[in-house]
Amino acid sequence: AQSVTQLDSQVPVFEEAPVELRCNYSSSVSVYLFWYVQYPNQGLQLLLKYLSGSTLVKGINGFEAEFNKSQTSFHLRKPSVHISDTAEYFCAVSGITDSWGKLQFGAGTQVVVTP
Amino acid sequence: DTGVSQNPRHKITKRGQNVTFRCDPISEHNRLYWYRQTLGQGPEFLTYFQNEAQLEKSRLLSDRFSAERPKGSFSTLEIQRTEQGDSAMYLCASSLGGVETQYFGPGTRLLVL
Repeated sequence: AQSVTQLDSQVPVFEEAPVELRCNYSSSVSVYLFWYVQYPNQGLQLLLKYLSGSTLVKGINGFEAEFNKSQTSFHLRKPSVHISDTAEYFCAVSGITDSWGKLQFGAGTQVVVTP
Repeated sequence: DTGVSQNPRHKITKRGQNVTFRCDPISEHNRLYWYRQTLGQGPEFLTYFQNEAQLEKSRLLSDRFSAERPKGSFSTLEIQRTEQGDSAMYLCASSLGGVETQYFGPGTRLLVL
């Protein structure tokens, strides 16, 4: 079984400042890792995913994340945020033995961008 | 729009009533997932279909919950004898395969009074 911990429930940030959202996971097997974003009144949208290969993953909207196996982390970063990045961000994990892709989500981090 | 659609978007019901939600996945996707999201939490897996076969059910899915996916196309999720604790957002997602990207619908928000 897997579990995900998102260390910050809310992150306030000023426009054009950098942001980092922290995600740690626990698993007895190797995992695939995902970040999803949920805008108000919309469905979840995939930002990026790590399956294998380079540990630095680039996603949409200027986001990137780094997989750190030794620290069991998958932190999400953006160097300069916009007002439109205000949303809830979810980290998710799937065990590679779960061939059908069941996702285990963290509790989410609410990002609030202010001018 | 060829994304995942869910109907209704909102449902208010009285405790003890039955409700049914529908999910229409992206047409070529053979995998369909149901998740439940309560306030302040991330989505929790409920059940999964590959084509018309329901292959996994979470322990969260009590016997009051039933899901179907006839002909491997749309899916329905029925909750019988609703309880206040069933109030949540019910999310549907579809994908081409196990670790292929899951595309989520907008959800059905259920409020049980």
